[in-house]
Amino acid sequence: DTAVSQTPKYLVTQMGNDKSIKCEQNLGHDTMYWYKQDSKKFLKIMFSYNNKELIINETVPNRFSPKSPDKAHLNLHINSLELGDSAVYFCASSLEVRESPLHFGNGTRLTVT
Amino acid sequence: QKEVEQNSGPLSVPEGAIASLNCTYSDRGSQSFFWYRQYSGKSPELIMSIYSNGDKEDGRFTAQLNKASQYVSLLIRDSQPSDSATYLCALTGYSSASKIIFGSGTRLSIRP
Repeated sequence: DTAVSQTPKYLVTQMGNDKSIKCEQNLGHDTMYWYKQDSKKFLKIMFSYNNKELIINETVPNRFSPKSPDKAHLNLHINSLELGDSAVYFCASSLEVRESPLHFGNGTRLTVT
Repeated sequence: QKEVEQNSGPLSVPEGAIASLNCTYSDRGSQSFFWYRQYSGKSPELIMSIYSNGDKEDGRFTAQLNKASQYVSLLIRDSQPSDSATYLCALTGYSSASKIIFGSGTRLSIRP
């Protein structure tokens, strides 16, 4: 199936741990994103990569480090997890044109205890 | 002022009626506008996109854009219980085609 897939779907971990979320798209898109959706459902952009190059880096703590080994993959590594990091993280992709909408993965629900 | 503003709702509409969802934005240079639907526990899915002033219709959905008033809306005709979801307004800013900004969403409830 053509899609944006991210793993894992659920991630429960303790404060201070380091975790990673993986994302892959087979839509042939040039641009990939990480969005964070908080408990109030607000979707906020974190990072955007175009052909493996970081082009958007919103004010996100340094503990969050995206990595794009190729244009079909964008992973998110989070160091020293904090309670406030609990949220749903969505990976998305789009073509590199202004009119191109986002295609979302199914999300990763991160719970930090 | 928030970049994209939506009434959080919930907006309750009887089945079969027209649901009207509204969104205002602050960046006059915004060029592409999208409406996404998000069911609880699911990812957002694209409903409509609109790029020029006026109306765009797709089945029961009509998107309306007024760039002078910085206003975009979504009308859902013949509302069905399956339309109950959160509707997210999104747009690309003038400065970056790759930065799609979302409103906080309007929760729509269709009552039978």
